[in-house]
Amino acid sequence: DTGVSQDPRHKITKRGQNVTFRCDPISEHNRLYWYRQTLGQGPEFLTYFQNEAQLEKSRLLSDRFSAERPKGSFSTLEIQRTEQGDSAMYLCASSFPLTLAGENYEQYFGPGTRLTVT
Amino acid sequence: GESVGLHLPTLSVQEGDNSIINCAYSNSASDYFIWYKQESGKGPQFIIDIRSNMDKRQGQRVTVLLNKTVKHLSLQIAATQPGDSAVYFCAEPEMDTGRRALTFGSGTRLQVQP
Repeated sequence: DTGVSQDPRHKITKRGQNVTFRCDPISEHNRLYWYRQTLGQGPEFLTYFQNEAQLEKSRLLSDRFSAERPKGSFSTLEIQRTEQGDSAMYLCASSFPLTLAGENYEQYFGPGTRLTVT
Repeated sequence: GESVGLHLPTLSVQEGDNSIINCAYSNSASDYFIWYKQESGKGPQFIIDIRSNMDKRQGQRVTVLLNKTVKHLSLQIAATQPGDSAVYFCAEPEMDTGRRALTFGSGTRLQVQP
């Protein structure tokens, strides 16, 4: 399977604990996005990387959240001191480099990690 | 600012019927739209896209119509099948920034009755 993968698929944690999620994008894609999706809503942009550089973070991303993509391949999203309001589906997406994508804006999504904070 | 939304949260159709899912947007400068399908427990999956220089685009069993005058687009699914049951989102990529993040509407759940 050469699609975007995410691990774990489900995570249940107690309030105050730290959690880390991993995303493996499609290998030819140098752009990687993190979104958050709450029940009944569409995904909301959190942050994105071009290669290993994190270029922008949404205001949704509080200082308890940190994302990395150390070698420009897989990415991790860590949430420290989790709160019940962090319960959501965390989606990763990747896309082609702009030089290849041109006018193609499609993003390829992984299956998501569903986080439940009790 | 940009706003992508939907008229109906849930649509129930009989298998074999045609489905129409609607989406409204607020930015008259919006140039490009994508429809995504999200099945339970999965990430969104690209269905079809359309640019503002078109008013209709067809794919396999799907047609997207764009009415720029009233800032409205629709996704039509012909001969709806049980496998079409999912939540459908219209999404708009940022065209004027390098990040190209997608802005999604809240989605319409399509339920196909056998």
